[in-house]
Amino acid sequence: DAGVIQSPRHEVTEMGQEVTLRCKPISGHDYLFWYRQTMMRGLELLIYFNNNVPIDDSGMPEDRFSAKMPNASFSTLKIQPSEPRDSAVYFCASSFDRDTEAFFGQGTRLTVV
Amino acid sequence: GQQLNQSPQSMFIQEGEDVSMNCTSSSIFNTWLWYKQDPGEGPVLLIALYKAGELTSNGRLTAQFGITRKDSFLNISASIPSDVGIYFCAGRQGGSEKLVFGKGTKLTVNP
Repeated sequence: DAGVIQSPRHEVTEMGQEVTLRCKPISGHDYLFWYRQTMMRGLELLIYFNNNVPIDDSGMPEDRFSAKMPNASFSTLKIQPSEPRDSAVYFCASSFDRDTEAFFGQGTRLTVV
Repeated sequence: GQQLNQSPQSMFIQEGEDVSMNCTSSSIFNTWLWYKQDPGEGPVLLIALYKAGELTSNGRLTAQFGITRKDSFLNISASIPSDVGIYFCAGRQGGSEKLVFGKGTKLTVNP
Protein backbone atom coordinates (compact mmCIF):
# COMPACT_ATOMS: atom_id res chain seq x y z
CA ASP A 1 0.00 0.00 0.00
CA ALA A 2 1.25 3.49 -0.83
CA GLY A 3 0.21 4.88 2.55
CA VAL A 4 -1.96 7.93 3.13
CA ILE A 5 -1.81 10.21 0.13
CA GLN A 6 -2.44 13.93 0.37
CA SER A 7 -2.62 16.58 -2.30
CA PRO A 8 -1.45 19.12 -3.00
CA ARG A 9 1.84 19.11 -1.04
CA HIS A 10 1.99 22.88 -1.11
CA GLU A 11 -0.72 25.46 -1.64
CA VAL A 12 -0.33 29.22 -1.77
CA THR A 13 -3.50 31.21 -2.07
CA GLU A 14 -4.77 34.72 -1.56
CA MET A 15 -6.93 35.68 1.36
CA GLY A 16 -10.59 35.15 0.59
CA GLN A 17 -10.07 32.32 -1.85
CA GLU A 18 -11.46 28.84 -1.39
CA VAL A 19 -8.96 26.09 -0.61
CA THR A 20 -9.59 22.35 -0.93
CA LEU A 21 -7.21 19.80 0.53
CA ARG A 22 -7.51 16.15 -0.48
CA CYS A 23 -6.74 12.85 1.21
CA LYS A 24 -6.76 9.20 0.21
CA PRO A 25 -6.55 6.95 3.30
CA ILE A 26 -4.95 3.53 3.44
CA SER A 27 -7.27 0.95 1.93
CA GLY A 28 -9.23 -0.93 4.55
CA HIS A 29 -8.83 1.70 7.24
CA ASP A 30 -12.12 2.67 8.84
CA TYR A 31 -10.99 5.87 10.54
CA LEU A 32 -9.80 9.08 8.93
CA PHE A 33 -8.46 12.08 10.84
CA TRP A 34 -7.65 15.65 9.80
CA TYR A 35 -5.00 17.47 11.86
CA ARG A 36 -3.53 20.94 11.68
CA GLN A 37 0.05 21.63 12.78
CA THR A 38 1.40 25.03 13.77
CA MET A 39 4.40 26.10 15.82
CA MET A 40 2.21 27.65 18.46
CA ARG A 41 -0.39 24.93 18.91
CA GLY A 42 1.32 21.77 17.73
CA LEU A 43 -0.83 19.02 16.23
CA GLU A 44 -4.54 19.70 16.66
CA LEU A 45 -7.29 17.30 15.70
CA LEU A 46 -9.85 19.08 13.53
CA ILE A 47 -12.32 16.32 12.66
CA TYR A 48 -12.48 12.57 12.26
CA PHE A 49 -14.62 10.09 10.37
CA ASN A 50 -15.60 6.49 11.01
CA ASN A 51 -16.79 4.54 7.98
CA ASN A 52 -17.18 7.81 6.07
CA VAL A 53 -19.39 9.38 8.76
CA PRO A 54 -18.16 12.48 10.62
CA ILE A 55 -17.99 11.60 14.31
CA ASP A 56 -16.46 14.62 16.00
CA ASP A 57 -15.87 18.01 14.41
CA SER A 58 -15.37 19.91 17.67
CA GLY A 59 -11.84 20.79 16.62
CA MET A 60 -12.90 22.63 13.49
CA PRO A 61 -11.98 26.21 14.25
CA GLU A 62 -14.77 28.04 12.44
CA ASP A 63 -17.65 27.63 10.04
CA ARG A 64 -15.24 28.51 7.27
CA PHE A 65 -13.88 24.99 7.65
CA SER A 66 -15.77 21.97 6.34
CA ALA A 67 -14.84 18.36 5.65
CA LYS A 68 -16.45 15.57 3.68
CA MET A 69 -15.82 11.92 3.04
CA PRO A 70 -18.00 10.84 0.11
CA ASN A 71 -16.52 7.34 0.05
CA ALA A 72 -14.03 5.11 1.83
CA SER A 73 -11.11 6.20 -0.33
CA PHE A 74 -11.44 9.98 -0.43
CA SER A 75 -11.85 12.93 1.89
CA THR A 76 -11.63 16.69 1.49
CA LEU A 77 -11.04 19.56 3.87
CA LYS A 78 -12.29 22.87 2.55
CA ILE A 79 -11.63 26.38 3.81
CA GLN A 80 -13.89 29.10 2.43
CA PRO A 81 -12.99 31.93 2.61
CA SER A 82 -9.36 31.42 3.60
CA GLU A 83 -7.51 33.81 5.94
CA PRO A 84 -3.80 34.32 6.66
CA ARG A 85 -4.19 32.72 10.11
CA ASP A 86 -5.19 29.49 8.40
CA SER A 87 -1.59 29.11 7.23
CA ALA A 88 -0.34 25.80 8.63
CA VAL A 89 0.49 22.24 7.66
CA TYR A 90 -2.61 20.09 7.37
CA PHE A 91 -2.27 16.35 7.87
CA CYS A 92 -4.59 13.53 7.09
CA ALA A 93 -4.20 10.23 8.96
CA SER A 94 -6.01 6.92 8.92
CA SER A 95 -6.26 3.91 11.20
CA PHE A 96 -7.64 0.40 10.84
CA ASP A 97 -9.89 0.67 13.89
CA ARG A 98 -10.42 2.79 16.98
CA ASP A 99 -7.69 1.14 19.03
CA THR A 100 -4.79 0.91 16.59
CA GLU A 101 -2.14 3.32 15.47
CA ALA A 102 -2.79 6.13 13.02
CA PHE A 103 -0.68 6.53 9.89
CA PHE A 104 -0.05 10.01 8.54
CA GLY A 105 0.22 11.45 5.07
CA GLN A 106 3.00 13.84 4.11
CA GLY A 107 0.82 16.86 4.72
CA THR A 108 -0.25 19.94 2.78
CA ARG A 109 1.59 23.13 3.60
CA LEU A 110 -0.94 25.92 3.19
CA THR A 111 0.10 29.56 2.93
CA VAL A 112 -2.58 32.23 2.75
CA VAL A 113 -1.27 35.64 1.76
CA GLY B 1 -8.89 19.32 25.62
CA GLN B 2 -6.69 16.72 27.25
CA GLN B 3 -3.04 17.75 27.43
CA LEU B 4 0.05 15.62 27.16
CA ASN B 5 3.14 17.15 28.73
CA GLN B 6 6.18 16.16 26.76
CA SER B 7 9.73 16.90 27.89
CA PRO B 8 12.26 18.07 27.19
CA GLN B 9 11.24 20.54 24.49
CA SER B 10 14.62 20.21 22.81
CA MET B 11 17.85 18.31 23.18
CA PHE B 12 21.34 18.85 21.80
CA ILE B 13 23.56 15.78 22.05
CA GLN B 14 26.73 14.30 20.64
CA GLU B 15 26.64 11.36 18.28
CA GLY B 16 26.85 8.14 20.22
CA GLU B 17 25.06 9.41 23.31
CA ASP B 18 21.85 7.92 24.65
CA VAL B 19 18.66 9.98 24.71
CA SER B 20 15.61 9.84 26.93
CA MET B 21 12.35 11.75 26.62
CA ASN B 22 9.00 11.35 28.31
CA CYS B 23 5.36 12.20 28.22
CA THR B 24 3.02 12.62 31.19
CA SER B 25 -0.64 13.28 31.75
CA SER B 26 -2.99 13.81 34.65
CA SER B 27 -5.38 11.29 33.08
CA ILE B 28 -5.15 7.59 32.31
CA PHE B 29 -4.42 6.52 28.76
CA ASN B 30 -5.01 3.10 27.18
CA THR B 31 -2.68 3.59 24.24
CA TRP B 32 0.67 5.36 23.91
CA LEU B 33 2.33 5.95 20.57
CA TRP B 34 5.65 7.48 19.64
CA TYR B 35 6.17 9.23 16.30
CA LYS B 36 9.11 10.90 14.59
CA GLN B 37 8.72 13.79 12.18
CA ASP B 38 11.40 14.83 9.71
CA PRO B 39 11.33 18.33 8.17
CA GLY B 40 8.68 18.61 5.48
CA GLU B 41 7.24 15.19 6.21
CA GLY B 42 4.39 13.72 8.20
CA PRO B 43 4.86 11.97 11.55
CA VAL B 44 6.02 8.38 11.18
CA LEU B 45 5.09 5.78 13.76
CA LEU B 46 8.04 4.39 15.74
CA ILE B 47 6.52 2.34 18.54
CA ALA B 48 2.99 1.51 19.71
CA LEU B 49 2.20 0.51 23.33
CA TYR B 50 -1.11 -1.00 24.40
CA LYS B 51 -0.60 -2.42 27.89
CA ALA B 52 0.49 -0.85 31.17
CA GLY B 53 4.08 -1.81 31.94
CA GLU B 54 4.75 -2.86 28.36
CA LEU B 55 8.35 -2.36 27.21
CA THR B 56 8.86 -2.47 23.46
CA SER B 57 11.96 -2.05 21.32
CA ASN B 58 12.45 -1.11 17.70
CA GLY B 59 16.13 -1.28 16.88
CA ARG B 60 17.93 1.31 19.01
CA LEU B 61 14.61 2.68 20.25
CA THR B 62 12.88 1.47 23.40
CA ALA B 63 9.59 2.76 24.77
CA GLN B 64 7.63 1.92 27.89
CA PHE B 65 4.00 2.29 28.86
CA GLY B 66 4.05 3.57 32.44
CA ILE B 67 2.56 1.34 35.11
CA THR B 68 0.25 4.14 36.28
CA ARG B 69 -0.95 4.51 32.65
CA LYS B 70 -0.31 8.24 32.96
CA ASP B 71 3.11 8.34 31.37
CA SER B 72 5.42 6.88 28.76
CA PHE B 73 9.06 7.30 27.87
CA LEU B 74 11.20 6.81 24.80
CA ASN B 75 14.90 5.98 24.85
CA ILE B 76 17.28 6.13 21.91
CA SER B 77 20.61 4.40 22.38
CA ALA B 78 23.85 5.27 20.60
CA SER B 79 22.38 8.20 18.68
CA ILE B 80 23.37 8.83 15.07
CA PRO B 81 22.95 11.95 12.89
CA SER B 82 19.83 10.59 11.17
CA ASP B 83 18.03 10.51 14.53
CA VAL B 84 17.64 14.28 14.15
CA GLY B 85 14.00 15.32 14.05
CA ILE B 86 11.00 16.00 16.24
CA TYR B 87 9.67 13.18 18.38
CA PHE B 88 6.02 13.20 19.41
CA CYS B 89 4.19 11.17 21.98
CA ALA B 90 0.50 10.52 21.42
CA GLY B 91 -2.11 8.91 23.61
CA ARG B 92 -5.64 7.63 23.46
CA GLN B 93 -7.91 7.44 26.49
CA GLY B 94 -10.23 4.53 27.11
CA GLY B 95 -13.54 4.93 25.30
CA SER B 96 -12.13 7.66 23.09
CA GLU B 97 -11.26 7.44 19.42
CA LYS B 98 -9.20 10.62 19.51
CA LEU B 99 -5.41 10.61 19.48
CA VAL B 100 -3.94 13.47 21.55
CA PHE B 101 -0.40 14.66 20.83
CA GLY B 102 2.35 16.15 22.94
CA LYS B 103 4.13 19.29 21.74
CA GLY B 104 7.19 17.33 20.66
CA THR B 105 10.88 17.01 21.54
CA LYS B 106 13.27 18.44 18.97
CA LEU B 107 16.45 16.37 18.82
CA THR B 108 19.72 17.66 17.41
CA VAL B 109 22.66 15.28 17.09
CA ASN B 110 26.11 16.74 16.60
CA PRO B 111 28.48 14.48 14.66
